Amino acid sequence: DVKVTQSSRYLVKRTGEKVFLECVQDMDHENMFWYRQDPGLGLRLIYFSYDVKMKEKGDIPEGYSVSREKKERFSLILESASTNQTSMYLCASSLFSTSGSGELFFGEGSRLTVL
Amino acid sequence: KQEVTQIPAALSVPEGENLVLNCSFTDSAIYNLQWFRQDPGKGLTSLLLIQSSQREQTSGRLNASLDKSSGRSTLYIAASQPGDSATYLCAVTGTASKLTFGTGTRLQVTL
Repeated sequence: DVKVTQSSRYLVKRTGEKVFLECVQDMDHENMFWYRQDPGLGLRLIYFSYDVKMKEKGDIPEGYSVSREKKERFSLILESASTNQTSMYLCASSLFSTSGSGELFFGEGSRLTVL
Repeated sequence: KQEVTQIPAALSVPEGENLVLNCSFTDSAIYNLQWFRQDPGKGLTSLLLIQSSQREQTSGRLNASLDKSSGRSTLYIAASQPGDSATYLCAVTGTASKLTFGTGTRLQVTL
């Protein structure tokens, strides 16, 4: 079974702190994604990556950056956390497919609260 | 811009009933459609993936159909159980491998 592991299930941070959210997948997937999920807004794509050291902006990249130094690991960074970044963050991965994205697998999510 | 709609937003049924969840999308140029389940406070679990060339997929008590030309998919759940209670989301993959999610149907199966 595919396993996508997010390092922290719950985090509480203060405004202005730097926050790292880590995601590791164990199935050699090329594609990795970071979403945030908010009530009434659904899932919104922050960043994605199709390969090591490669990143693409999603729909809401402002205030975030990412790092993909190894194929299995995709990190989301909040350089200076703000209260409007309080959310559930979901990491996902999939195999590359010439016919579009393959089946998407998600981690358990990281609930971030910024005070 | 692709828009994905799921109706109803919430549904409550007694245990044992068969039920259908609906997903509609505005742009039929999709590569695939995926159904997920999400339990409260958890991540999404993949249920079924239908490629654009397929009409349906089955897994256990779940059957998903796809009518690309009309922009519709249905998820059929047979003999519902309380453990099926969750939010069900559909997502379509369009151009540039971009996924668009619906906002989900919250299902409650009562004893």
